[in-house]
Amino acid sequence: DIHLTQSPSSLSASVGDRVTITCRASEAIGHYLAWFQKKPGKAPEALIYTASRLQSGVPSKFSGSGSGTDFTLTISSLQPEDFATYYCQQYDTFPYTFGQGTRLEI
Amino acid sequence: AQLVESGGGVVQPGRSLRLSCSASGFMFSTYAIYWVRQAPGKGLEWVAVMAHDGSTENYAVSVRGRCAMSRDNANKTLFLQMHSLRPEDSATYYCARGDNYFGLDVWGQGTTVTVSS
Repeated sequence: DIHLTQSPSSLSASVGDRVTITCRASEAIGHYLAWFQKKPGKAPEALIYTASRLQSGVPSKFSGSGSGTDFTLTISSLQPEDFATYYCQQYDTFPYTFGQGTRLEI
Repeated sequence: AQLVESGGGVVQPGRSLRLSCSASGFMFSTYAIYWVRQAPGKGLEWVAVMAHDGSTENYAVSVRGRCAMSRDNANKTLFLQMHSLRPEDSATYYCARGDNYFGLDVWGQGTTVTVSS
């Protein structure tokens, strides 16, 4: 299975900050990486697909980059509603594994 | 586009449960459907997928041999039949539509399964 390692596991930031989360794959996955936002009691929300493209309706404050094994998610101008847990997921090879999550806290 | 899960509940270890995923607002028969679960306090875990036409399925090792998916494209519904349930299967189960380019882009709100005696 392809293992995804996110760093950091948790992150403290303030409203207005810009943060970056990284996701490293145990083997190359091309650009088949997605990012999700997860809040307690809510369904995951898809943010980014193919490493860098925004899902429909997702604000441009979210951006992604990378290919192969190293990927990043950047969130600019943090707002209170952005504090959540973020997951990366590879969809290159079954099983479509997730990273362990990065908890973004105020 | 919307997905709605149902069928969760409290079940004893070793028993079976069938989850449903009902779709609306999009052409259900053209999408693969995935199941992803989240155990309390844990991260997201990919569980299973069925191709748009039901021709192929793939399961995580953790549930392989104990789960089977089926779909009824005419009624826009997909099912996850779970057998020999274990306490570690306790989780909120989400269904999601996906394709090879956009990934898992639409998710249901989830249905909770609790396996306990």
